[in-house]
Amino acid sequence: RKEVEQDPGPFNVPEGATVAFNCTYSNSASQSFFWYRQDCRKEPKLLMSVYSSGNEDGRFTAQLNRASQYISLLIRDSKLSDSATYLCVVNTGTGGFKTIFGAGTRLFVKA
Amino acid sequence: IAGITQAPTSQILAAGRRMTLRCTQDMRHNAMYWYRQDLGLGLRLIHYSNTAGTTGKGEVPDGYSVSRANTDDFPLTLASAVPSQTSVYFCASSDEAGGQYTQYFGPGTRLTVL
Repeated sequence: RKEVEQDPGPFNVPEGATVAFNCTYSNSASQSFFWYRQDCRKEPKLLMSVYSSGNEDGRFTAQLNRASQYISLLIRDSKLSDSATYLCVVNTGTGGFKTIFGAGTRLFVKA
Repeated sequence: IAGITQAPTSQILAAGRRMTLRCTQDMRHNAMYWYRQDLGLGLRLIHYSNTAGTTGKGEVPDGYSVSRANTDDFPLTLASAVPSQTSVYFCASSDEAGGQYTQYFGPGTRLTVL
């Protein structure tokens, strides 16, 4: 089993749709969680951290469920510019070298 | 502020040749990392450095070496390139705040080994 698993993609949605991505992690001692966005042939960029109480940044909402060991990302009112690959990222211990990146879920938003 | 720069942007290399990928950050982050990204496999850690003067092995270190002589630079060397090292290489650095290690990435080097 992979340490971080994401929804298989791609997701194809129309503009204005709401789309949700889930991610599960295997290490119950994991301490911090993130969503990154990666555009084609570009570097990953931090989208948002994920906090235990859940957090929102504009159209994006991230939630963490420690009991079930999954995190989610909800995108409301999808824009064409949201088309990208979304990486679920989990830090499993002390030190950035213990960061595990999911393989990513591709999102295509169509007009 | 440039953040993290990598050079070259892309390179085609003959098998058996030696190659150094360069990475420089200006954020004064203590920790730096090298990843490779292959289709369907996501980012895999090659080597890391928690602070200047120290390095460690990641998930896929074989065939690669690193050095960390100062805070800003973290070069990755392929001593004798092989075709399986064809990949996109990302350098990253991280700060640490409240126990969170947020990583910031350079633009990547696309390497093809023939």
